[in-house]
Amino acid sequence: DQQVKQNSPSLSVQEGRISILNCDYTNSMFDYFLWYKKYPAEGPTFLISISSIKDKNEDGRFTVFLNKSAKHLSLHIVPSQPGDSAVYFCAAKRPRLGGGGADGLTFGKGTHLIIQP
Amino acid sequence: EAQVTQNPRYLITVTGKKLTVTCSQNMNHEYMSWYRQDPGLGLRQIYYSMNVEVTDKGDVPEGYKVSRKEKRNFPLILESPSPNQTSLYFCASSLRQGFGYTFGSGTRLTVV
Repeated sequence: DQQVKQNSPSLSVQEGRISILNCDYTNSMFDYFLWYKKYPAEGPTFLISISSIKDKNEDGRFTVFLNKSAKHLSLHIVPSQPGDSAVYFCAAKRPRLGGGGADGLTFGKGTHLIIQP
Repeated sequence: EAQVTQNPRYLITVTGKKLTVTCSQNMNHEYMSWYRQDPGLGLRQIYYSMNVEVTDKGDVPEGYKVSRKEKRNFPLILESPSPNQTSLYFCASSLRQGFGYTFGSGTRLTVV
């Protein structure tokens, strides 16, 4: 059962325009959501996160929106630049359970963003 | 430089031959984790650790072991590797709950 879904394997956007990457989740217990960017032959790099108690977080050209009722989040990149071409992973964090439980991240399958000149 | 270091970067081995992939971080992070990346499946968590001597299974722990004897190191052990463990492996660490993970550069493992 895939708890974090990125339904678009790839997305092509013209340079300068807005890129919108989407992510859906099923587990209402997730308490943090994160976006990672990955270039080929490199490890993923953290981009931006949002707590489940917020609906928006902004960092420069990157904004993440969270709609808890729809269990949906999106990453907006404005304006899109050639260096933004990468695979973007949405991830959700499980809360620490009471007592000895540990937490970790559940990732989506990723969306390959291609910025066209 | 703050980083997560994995070794080796590339490894080809034979079925059944025990191997260890090392992971070390120099950021004094409490949380560490191992993921594997496979085509069409994204990143899947193998094991994670909240702190020294505290480890727990992720989503795909079968065939793997880990240990956390020191805060900085979190080795991944394959006691008897099989071809279905051929994958790209990433180690990651984070300061605490809710912080973004820092990933290593990856280990590409091939089991023949």
